[in-house]
Amino acid sequence: NAGVTQTPKFRILKIGQSMTLQCTQDMNHNYMYWYRQDPGMGLKLIYYSVGAGITDKGEVPNGYNVSRSTTEDFPLRLELAAPSQTSVYFCASTYGTDYNEQFFGPGTRLTVL
Amino acid sequence: RKEVEQDPGPFNVPEGATVAFNCTYSNSASQSFFWYRQDCRKEPKLLMSVYSSGNEDGRFTAQLNRASQYISLLIRDSKLSDSATYLCVVIGGTSYGKLTFGQGTILTVHP
Repeated sequence: NAGVTQTPKFRILKIGQSMTLQCTQDMNHNYMYWYRQDPGMGLKLIYYSVGAGITDKGEVPNGYNVSRSTTEDFPLRLELAAPSQTSVYFCASTYGTDYNEQFFGPGTRLTVL
Repeated sequence: RKEVEQDPGPFNVPEGATVAFNCTYSNSASQSFFWYRQDCRKEPKLLMSVYSSGNEDGRFTAQLNRASQYISLLIRDSKLSDSATYLCVVIGGTSYGKLTFGQGTILTVHP
């Protein structure tokens, strides 16, 4: 199993550009999450999904959108990139909910200039 | 007040030392507690879950005090490979597995 994979690994955007961060998991997990991590800080939840077709906002959803058309894929869309969105983005998935380990992808490092 | 607070450190200890990290959480309805480890420029990985009765995994011991809303991690006989950031993580009462992270405690173990 590849686990959770993310693409791209790095990206530089100009202010106002848009992009999609890809996330795929091959563990048949229903629950998937997007987090961002700013320098020296813990992770913050952007959006999450409890299954295909079901998504909801986390703590910091502004400026982002998600979709979940399949169990495997959970892309994160950035519209009109801003410098405040410079961060490392982690996708995660888990089989169950509260007591189960979340498995994280390797992250996407995004810089908005 | 932050939902999960940790002393960011950094902690610099010699090999073989014992080091303890503390964490407090604000949501009394929180139901699940974890310590994750994050190496430099890598993704977080689960180190251990924290149970009410306390639990141990080799050199690592985790404790939970629900009354004080306090979580701890003790590392005995520190190794160079223990150098990392340790993240205190809580799942609040709203479920769906949404993790709330502390800012992390940086540990450096030196020879």
